[in-house]
Amino acid sequence: GQQLNQSPQSMFIQEGEDVSMNCTSSSIFNTWLWYKQDPGEGPVLLIALYKAGELTSNGRLTAQFGITRKDSFLNISASIPSDVGIYFCAGRLEGTDKLIFGTGTRLQVFP
Amino acid sequence: NAGVTQTPKFQVLKTGQSMTLQCAQDMNHNSMYWYRQDPGMGLRLIYYSASEGTTDKGEVPNGYNVSRLNKREFSLRLESAAPSQTSVYFCASSPGPFNQPQHFGDGTRLSIL
Repeated sequence: GQQLNQSPQSMFIQEGEDVSMNCTSSSIFNTWLWYKQDPGEGPVLLIALYKAGELTSNGRLTAQFGITRKDSFLNISASIPSDVGIYFCAGRLEGTDKLIFGTGTRLQVFP
Repeated sequence: NAGVTQTPKFQVLKTGQSMTLQCAQDMNHNSMYWYRQDPGMGLRLIYYSASEGTTDKGEVPNGYNVSRLNKREFSLRLESAAPSQTSVYFCASSPGPFNQPQHFGDGTRLSIL
C-alpha cells in the first residue's frame, strides 16, 4: 500500500526546546492532518491543512503543507512536559478517498 | 461531551471466539471508520461507512465484518478471532468524506490468545 515516511521515529528533548518533525511521500496529497495521541487514548486532531504552501498555527504548534504536495511539517516551540505523546501525520491521497497515516513520532520531554 | 464512545475498553479472547466491538458517536457525523493500531505502524483502515446504509473495505478488511446499525452506531465483528488480530482498535467519525478531520474514540485493546 501507499507509504508515508514520518521522521524522526522518536525524540528526547529538554523542556523549552523547539521540535520539528515531518512526513514525506512519493505521492501527492490534497489534505494533511496532524494528530497527537496520549497513552491509553485515541488520536486528537491538532491541525488540518488543505492547500499547498498553507501554514497554520495552533498555539505553540505550527504545521505546513509542503509546496510539492508530497510532504508536511510540524513544529512545536518551547516544549513543555505535557507535549509528551505520539504525533501522527495523515494525508489524503490526490484522486482517492483514502487517508494514510504515518507511523508516528514519539516525543519525550525532560524537565 | 462524549464524542466517540467505544466499548469495551479491554478484552481477552481465545482463538476462534467471536466478538463485536461497539462504537457510537453523538456528533451527527455521516462517516464512520474502524482502524487497527499495531506497534511501529500507523493506523490502518479496516472498514469505513461513508454514510448510513453503506460500508466499504479499507486496507486490511480480512477477518472482519461491520454493520452500520444507524447514523450513530458502527460495529466491528470478529467472527473467528486469530492471534494476528491482537491489536488496539479505534473507531472514528467525521462530518463527511475522508479529507474532513476525523474524531477518534479511546480505543479497544484486544488480545487473542
